[in-house]
Amino acid sequence: DAKTTQPTSMDCAEGRAANLPCNHSTISGNEYVYWYRQIHSQGPQYIIHGLKNNETNEMASLIITEDRKSSTLILPHATLRDTAVYYCIVRVVGYQFYFGTGTSLTVIP
Amino acid sequence: EAGVAQSPRYKIIEKRQSVAFWCNPISGHATLYWYQQILGQGPKLLIQFQNNGVVDDSQLPKDRFSAERLKGVDSTLKIQPAKLEDSAVYLCASSLEAGGEAFFGQGTRLTVV
Repeated sequence: DAKTTQPTSMDCAEGRAANLPCNHSTISGNEYVYWYRQIHSQGPQYIIHGLKNNETNEMASLIITEDRKSSTLILPHATLRDTAVYYCIVRVVGYQFYFGTGTSLTVIP
Repeated sequence: EAGVAQSPRYKIIEKRQSVAFWCNPISGHATLYWYQQILGQGPKLLIQFQNNGVVDDSQLPKDRFSAERLKGVDSTLKIQPAKLEDSAVYLCASSLEAGGEAFFGQGTRLTVV
């Protein structure tokens, strides 16, 4: 079962930063936080993952709180193409990905 | 780099018929997953392969679903007989190793009428 809690939906103005929160209060020490997104009619796409340090790549930044009970995915300059469902997943390396219902992000022109 | 290939893209069948889906993972990826995604829900794992061995099939309805991964490369997922509640998108994903991030195909949309 999914071990994360995310808001059902969010809106963000085009060009602004989109901050997507995720609660994972029961996360274990060996579980990573992964983010995937799913654009309509496509398979999920990997975005980023981390253990306890903040991470950044060309798509997004991942901020994990010091107690690791929550995290935030940041899309620095949202575009219309970022409209998608975003999934936050906690996972032990080698085990399956449990997807919840995610956050439906709508980027507004 | 070629992505995960799945076929067919769409399939409509009548209940009690059988259907098969095919997946070709990214070259060199040892781990292969099949997920079922019902409309409005997140993907749910059906089965995970490591090379040609099954790692986890605890959520696979084995009375009607079967999957195989011959030679540790391509995989097929079969449903026989199909029920109305099997209508969903069936996603295949692969990863270089069990610990790596998974890359997903576009999925096969199954409609059972």
